[in-house]
Amino acid sequence: GDSVTQMEGPVTLSEEAFLTINCTYTATGYPSLFWYVQYPGEGLQLLLKATKADDKGSNKGFEATYRKETTSFHLEKGSVQVSDSAVYFCALGGSSASKIIFGSGTRLSIRP
Amino acid sequence: DTAVSQTPKYLVTQMGNDKSIKCEQNLGHDTMYWYKQDSKKFLKIMFSYNNKELIINETVPNRFSPKSPDKAHLNLHINSLELGDSAVYFCASSPQRGEYGYTFGSGTRLTVV
Repeated sequence: GDSVTQMEGPVTLSEEAFLTINCTYTATGYPSLFWYVQYPGEGLQLLLKATKADDKGSNKGFEATYRKETTSFHLEKGSVQVSDSAVYFCALGGSSASKIIFGSGTRLSIRP
Repeated sequence: DTAVSQTPKYLVTQMGNDKSIKCEQNLGHDTMYWYKQDSKKFLKIMFSYNNKELIINETVPNRFSPKSPDKAHLNLHINSLELGDSAVYFCASSPQRGEYGYTFGSGTRLTVV
């Protein structure tokens, strides 16, 4: 069945560091890929998405490229801020399943 | 003008009680979902309705019963609450079945004591 695997956390970085959170997927068909962010005490918010191979999703300085050949959708940001501290979820949807499948989440903490 | 709203935000109750969580969306979406998030932040789908019709019913105890009176509302009723039901429950909606992403509510933190 469809699945998403993302790097385990927690990830702790200093402010202005470069961020990569790895995500790979297994799916039949051609899924859409998403990154969601959950700030403490809040619900999940869609951060960015890509609907087909080679698309790049971007938002708030974050970006991820849909790589069909490596079945990956890694999240990157060039310079993180303390306010980026949150849990990040990679997800896929629109494939054979009529639901979005989430990865296990990666907790990111940024030190001032 | 909240897009997906859940009530209550917090719910503390004793074992054995029956409780309900309500969800409403004003986005005009056809599909709504209930997810459970455990203490390790793992998200698991419970139910999905499309235009008031149940389309996903994962392996969930039958103490959990969703009800969708119309496509803008999806409520979750839980009978005979157990300690293991303690979690955060999220409602979400989407225009179609997950292809375009979800809009989530802010969650209901259920604590069973």
